[in-house]
Amino acid sequence: EPEVTQTPSHQVTQMGQEVILRCVPISNHLYFYWYRQILGQKVEFLVSFYNNEISEKSEIFDDQFSVERPDGSNFTLKIRSTKLEDSAMYFCASSKGQVGETQYFGPGTRLLVL
Amino acid sequence: GNSVTQMEGPVTLSEEAFLTINCTYTATGYPSLFWYVQYPGEGLQLLLKATKADDKGSNKGFEATYRKETTSFHLEKGSVQVSDSAVYFCALMGSNYQLIWGAGTKLIIKP
Repeated sequence: EPEVTQTPSHQVTQMGQEVILRCVPISNHLYFYWYRQILGQKVEFLVSFYNNEISEKSEIFDDQFSVERPDGSNFTLKIRSTKLEDSAMYFCASSKGQVGETQYFGPGTRLLVL
Repeated sequence: GNSVTQMEGPVTLSEEAFLTINCTYTATGYPSLFWYVQYPGEGLQLLLKATKADDKGSNKGFEATYRKETTSFHLEKGSVQVSDSAVYFCALMGSNYQLIWGAGTKLIIKP
């Protein structure tokens, strides 16, 4: 069964450094998402992406964040200058459509900013 | 705004016990509702969903019915197993297709 994959599984970085989190969505899906979960808190929506552009973003997704689909398979989340509060589990998801469609999640990348 | 409230955990049960995890929501309109499960060390997996009022989602012995009159989507299973130990998340799909999540309920099943 097709699945969403994410790399790396864990990333440790110094405050102020740039990180790129990578995702490979399910191949015939058209909508892509990033969510994050800070330890002990709810899962939060960051951004959705369709047709090579952002379709929705949350207040969390400020100028420090960007997303890209550099080729036909990868979907990346870049944090330009990481802060301590960016430490979280980051989940990528994809779906075929939007209305009522299931979003399929990857295993997540645990980011620790020191 | 939209929100989801789940019962706090952890919920600890013995094997073969009956499970209920409560989930209520606040939303405009009739959003699609989901239960996701996260097993230890793994990602978020869809367990079941319902897209309209009175729909019942079911999978692996778990069920949940979309009740618009009580704005609820409680998760139930008649006889739990040790392998059901996980964190369960209730979520709704907002008007802009983002998932809005409950806090998660940790379920511990003892043999």
